[in-house]
Amino acid sequence: GEDVEQSLFLSVREGDSSVINCTYTDSSSTYLYWYKQEPGAGLQLLTYIFSNMDMKQDQRLTVLLNKKDKHLSLRIADTQTGDSAIYFCAERGSNYQLIWGAGTKLIIKP
Amino acid sequence: GAVVSQHPSRVICKSGTSVKIECRSLDFQATTMFWYRQFPKQSLMLMATSNEGSKATYEQGVEKDKFLINHASLTLSTLTVTSAHPEDSSFYICSASDSARNTDTQYFGPGTRLTVL
Repeated sequence: GEDVEQSLFLSVREGDSSVINCTYTDSSSTYLYWYKQEPGAGLQLLTYIFSNMDMKQDQRLTVLLNKKDKHLSLRIADTQTGDSAIYFCAERGSNYQLIWGAGTKLIIKP
Repeated sequence: GAVVSQHPSRVICKSGTSVKIECRSLDFQATTMFWYRQFPKQSLMLMATSNEGSKATYEQGVEKDKFLINHASLTLSTLTVTSAHPEDSSFYICSASDSARNTDTQYFGPGTRLTVL
């Protein structure tokens, strides 16, 4: 079946770049998403990428998609304390349903 | 644009009572809305897909008689947790797709935290 995998934790120093990785199994996915969830809050769409793109950049965020390896990554440049959150990778399955990864908790060290 | 609201944001109820959660798309029409449930430290679990004017489609293992979904208009879907029990305590999140756009992006509500005593 469809599956999305992420590592559960990532620890980086403030000011460094963070790279959160995600792998998925459904090769027919058309859209892939990154969502951010801050403690006690709902989900915030950070960015998305269409499957015919390799890269998308939006200010400090860079999304890379390797469709051959079914690998998606989110790079956050100059990581700040406000970036502390859980980052969810998701792919769009059939009928608009999102298939979610378990989320990567980003921990910022001073 | 593309704002989704949920009401209430937090609710505490006694075991055996029913709780209704509303999900509204504020500035767009959504023919399809989704209801998710999130357990602590776990990912989101899709419960059901709600289509305006028709019956919801429930995921395997989700009791449709317990989690009643009504999508009466293009901007409102409701989830009613009937005869709530402590194990129903969770964070319920809805999302909606903008029918007029082609990105298929889902916009999420802020979530409703349900605590059943």
